[in-house]
Order: sequence, then C-alpha cells, then structure tokens
Amino acid sequence: NAGVTQTPKFQVLKTGQSMTLQCAQDMNHNSMYWYRQDPGMGLRLIYYSASEGTTDKGEVPNGYNVSRLNKREFSLRLESAAPSQTSVYFCASSVDPGIPGNEQFFGPGTRLTVL
Amino acid sequence: GNSVTQMEGPVTLSEEAFLTINCTYTATGYPSLFWYVQYPGEGLQLLLKATKADDKGSNKGFEATYRKETTSFHLEKGSVQVSDSAVYFCALSDGASGSRLTFGEGTQLTVNP
Repeated sequence: NAGVTQTPKFQVLKTGQSMTLQCAQDMNHNSMYWYRQDPGMGLRLIYYSASEGTTDKGEVPNGYNVSRLNKREFSLRLESAAPSQTSVYFCASSVDPGIPGNEQFFGPGTRLTVL
Repeated sequence: GNSVTQMEGPVTLSEEAFLTINCTYTATGYPSLFWYVQYPGEGLQLLLKATKADDKGSNKGFEATYRKETTSFHLEKGSVQVSDSAVYFCALSDGASGSRLTFGEGTQLTVNP
C-alpha cells in the first residue's frame, strides 16, 4: 500500500516549457487535490476533483490544467511554465468530501524550478 | 471566504519545554479544524483534528481544543522533543466544495537538545 505517489520528485524547466505532474493513489479514495506550497503562504489549492469525472478550480488555478484520468490518477499540467510557478507541488486524496473531519492524505511532493 | 491565521514563526525551544502555537480562523458555518505536520523533505500528515465546538483533538502528546467563541484551535504540547522539529500547519474545512482545506502559513518549530 503505497498511499499517494507523485512523479517526478524534482524538475527544472525553462520559461515557456510544458510538463505534467503525475499523481496516483491506491486507497480507493473518491477525491483528489493539487496544492502548491510557497514560503510564508502555507498550501494553496490549485484544482480539485471531488469525484471521478469532475474537476473544479481552487484558489490559484491560473496557468494550470488538470485531468482526472480515472479514480486513481489525477494529473496537473503546466502548458507554458513561468518563474512564478516555481514551487513545491503536493497531491492529496481523501475518502469522502461529505464527511466532517475528512482527512486528506498527502504525497511526498514535487519540487519544480522554472528558470 | 475562509481564512486561517497562525502565530508568526519560527519557534525555537529547548527539549522538554512547553509548546503553544496559536491558530485562529474565519469561516462560515461549522468547519472542521485540523493540525497537519510536515517533517523535513516529506509531505504533510494529519496530527489531530476536531469536528465540533469544545472537541479536543489529541495525538502523540499534542492537544488542541475547538473554541468556537474565540474562533481558535491552538496547538499545545507539555514537553517537546527534538523529534518534534517540523513545520506545523493549522487548517480548516467547511465541508463544502469537495472538503477543500484552507491552510495557515505554517510555523517552523525547532527543538534543541
């Protein structure tokens, strides 16, 4: 049981390049999330998928797209990377968004640098 | 909208000292409250939670009580250890919008031997 896995762990891009961050969970969770972590700002939600087949914008969606490929996988795409997207990206999943106190489980993160 | 405010950090303590990290929130309705911990180089993991007013969450010697009257969820531990050195995040979920979490800024705790 690997939990939430993310690839790659590290990535360096040049401005304007594109890439996709991959996330998978093996806990049969319904909901999945993408956050970015920046110094002094905590984690901010980029996009989330409450259930398979649905996606919604979070707090900072500009410059990103997502795909809920199936129940296990949720990818984040940067179409044209910018230096402002330099950050650590975390994927998370949870069982059921309707339950009070619903815990989210986090992956190890992807550290992205855009030059 | 929802928001979470944590005490400014970083915090540096000696081993066996008492720890308090303040957290206050703004939310509509009756949110669930969480403390997550991030050890160096790792993702976040749930430390404790509370889902209604006056609930106390506890784990690994840490405690926090959901105070609706003061909109607070302060984290406490009576005697910290070097292994508690990490970043601590207060967060809330209002149960709507896919249970999205709203995080505070995080507080870096360093415990010296």
